[in-house]
Amino acid sequence: EAAVTQSPRNKVAVTGGKVTLSCNQTNNHNNMYWYRQDTGHGLRLIHYSYGAGSTEKGDIPDGYKASRPSQENFSLILELATPSQTSVYFCASGDGGGADEQYFGPGTRLTVL
Amino acid sequence: QQQVRQSPQSLTVWEGETAILNCSYEDSTFDYFPWYWQFPRESPALLIAIRPVSNKKEDGRFTIFFNKREKKLSLHITDSQPGDSATYFCAASAETGNYKYVFGAGTRLKVIA
Repeated sequence: EAAVTQSPRNKVAVTGGKVTLSCNQTNNHNNMYWYRQDTGHGLRLIHYSYGAGSTEKGDIPDGYKASRPSQENFSLILELATPSQTSVYFCASGDGGGADEQYFGPGTRLTVL
Repeated sequence: QQQVRQSPQSLTVWEGETAILNCSYEDSTFDYFPWYWQFPRESPALLIAIRPVSNKKEDGRFTIFFNKREKKLSLHITDSQPGDSATYFCAASAETGNYKYVFGAGTRLKVIA
């Protein structure tokens, strides 16, 4: 009954290949977020969305695109994957507003060779 | 630039001791400060949060102390337990930033029995 799910959970890609990470939430939250987590950097925001059809750039958007086709789904797209994009990616959802608790998915471990 | 800084990077305490985790920030418009914890191989989850209208927020053994003038806050964990061993992230958000979170790099806490 997990409210935020991600797929795949693990992915190995080749440099220059296209990678799509998917996220689904059943919280009926308006906001969804994509973060990457690297040792020494904590969680850094890549893209986020306020609702279906909207995507906004986060703090480190270069090399990434996002798509929010519906309230429930938010995808992160790496058109030309590079080894520097090897990381753990977390999707999160939240109500939005000033006290927005974010609920995180289980994460996707991406390795780009 | 790192807008939210945490110290120490890692901390080891004995069971029963008080662990003190520090956080500082630069942007005076930040008005919401959640702490998330993350256990190994799991995703982050909200632990406790504070708004600047208060200088203290308590939830059981976890207490946030907030100093708006110095732009510092700290998380105190009293009677630390081995089950508290996790990485703790301080985050900040502001209405002017559309309430996007900025996370610190985290403090890895280990509690020894």
